[in-house]
Amino acid sequence: GESVGLHLPTLSVQEGDNSIINCAYSNSASDYFIWYKQESGKGPQFIIDIRSNMDKRQGQRVTVLLNKTVKHLSLQIAATQPGDSAVYFCAEPNGGSNYKLTFGKGTLLTVNP
Amino acid sequence: DTEVTQTPKHLVMGMTNKKSLKCEQHMGHRAMYWYKQKAKKPPELMFVYSYEKLSINESVPSRFSPECPNSSLLNLHLHALQPEDSALYLCASSPGGFNGETQYFGPGTRLLVL
Repeated sequence: GESVGLHLPTLSVQEGDNSIINCAYSNSASDYFIWYKQESGKGPQFIIDIRSNMDKRQGQRVTVLLNKTVKHLSLQIAATQPGDSAVYFCAEPNGGSNYKLTFGKGTLLTVNP
Repeated sequence: DTEVTQTPKHLVMGMTNKKSLKCEQHMGHRAMYWYKQKAKKPPELMFVYSYEKLSINESVPSRFSPECPNSSLLNLHLHALQPEDSALYLCASSPGGFNGETQYFGPGTRLLVL
């Protein structure tokens, strides 16, 4: 889940380990979720998305799991590499507007060589 | 081409200056966005243009003035900014504002107001 206040949740892993980044969402009617990766000094980069009619979707080294019962989303990164070090945001459409995204507070992933 | 480009990468301006940020995409997207991002925070939506018309203004101060000259270009005109406006300004685009579509972000312009 996400913490409140100014502190960014952090996750530190060793290179080669698997990483799991979690996100709790609030709108039970949300039917689409996106994960973004933001490296230092860069814009958010789309990683993977999932629709609510699925509970799992896989990409290259990444897997997103969706648990609608508890309104929880996770991003799993296999064999984490130093290049995976970044802030990861989950996002969902803001109910009532197709243009607005509600972002999670973000998780800072640090990969130690 | 799946890229959103932004210029300049960095900008330093005084509180009396007028400057503009530029954004361009050639993906044929019809929705374009301006976001402001402070350190260690998620992006905050400022404006949305849909089919070249201003669709959303998130109560942004008038010292920020957006412009969409055509479907590929988005500008943000800056005038009389305050030091607290220093931030990363991100442009994004999406196909058309349909439910469940991804927004694609540019690299951002790092703005410092002195």
